Amino acid sequence: SYELTQPPSVSVSPGQTASITCSGDKLGGKSACWYQQKPGQSPVLVIYQDTKRPSGIPERFSGSNSGNTATLTISGTQAMDEADYYCQAWDSSTAVFGGGTKLTVL
Amino acid sequence: QVQLVQSGSELKKPGASVKVSCKASGYTFTSYAMNWVRQAPGQGLEWMGWINTNTGNPTYAQGFTGRFVFSLDTSVSTAYLQISSLKAEDTAVYYCARLVPAAGNSGWFDPWGQGTLVTVSS
Repeated sequence: SYELTQPPSVSVSPGQTASITCSGDKLGGKSACWYQQKPGQSPVLVIYQDTKRPSGIPERFSGSNSGNTATLTISGTQAMDEADYYCQAWDSSTAVFGGGTKLTVL
Repeated sequence: QVQLVQSGSELKKPGASVKVSCKASGYTFTSYAMNWVRQAPGQGLEWMGWINTNTGNPTYAQGFTGRFVFSLDTSVSTAYLQISSLKAEDTAVYYCARLVPAAGNSGWFDPWGQGTLVTVSS
């Protein structure tokens, strides 16, 4: 079955750029999404179709997808961005989530 | 606004059944498939499958066949997840999520319900 691999944790200082990767076989040929989940809350879509931001998501969130890796980039990271982030893609009509990355802003 | 509101937390004994509801509002219920996602305590997101809100036809992911049933009541714009013969390992938060479709049998989940905690304990 298809797998998406994320680093378990990423740390970033406030105001700096955070990059969270998601790796999967030929992932660049699929469409990747990213979800943000804060403690005790449900996931929120932050990026869809590799690079698009839903309305209401700050411009500091951006995405890319090429080769085997999709990347979520948060520019000028703020304390409020501290959360778990999950990538997601489809393979053979099955939705697959990455294992999640805990972003710590310190 | 588009919203999914789920039923409240449940505490069940092993072997019992539970039915979780997900009421949609702010959009045409039958225009978007409804998906279910499980999150065990301290763990990641796991896709359980989806139900076609037009036909009522469910599709279950691997590992979610047999004891899991998706159903609908379109008259009240509500999707249901029923789990039978509950086990301790079914303890998790269960989310419903609307699928916004895209080309190639893909799409994205937006929005998500607030989640329903199902605890299975004797």
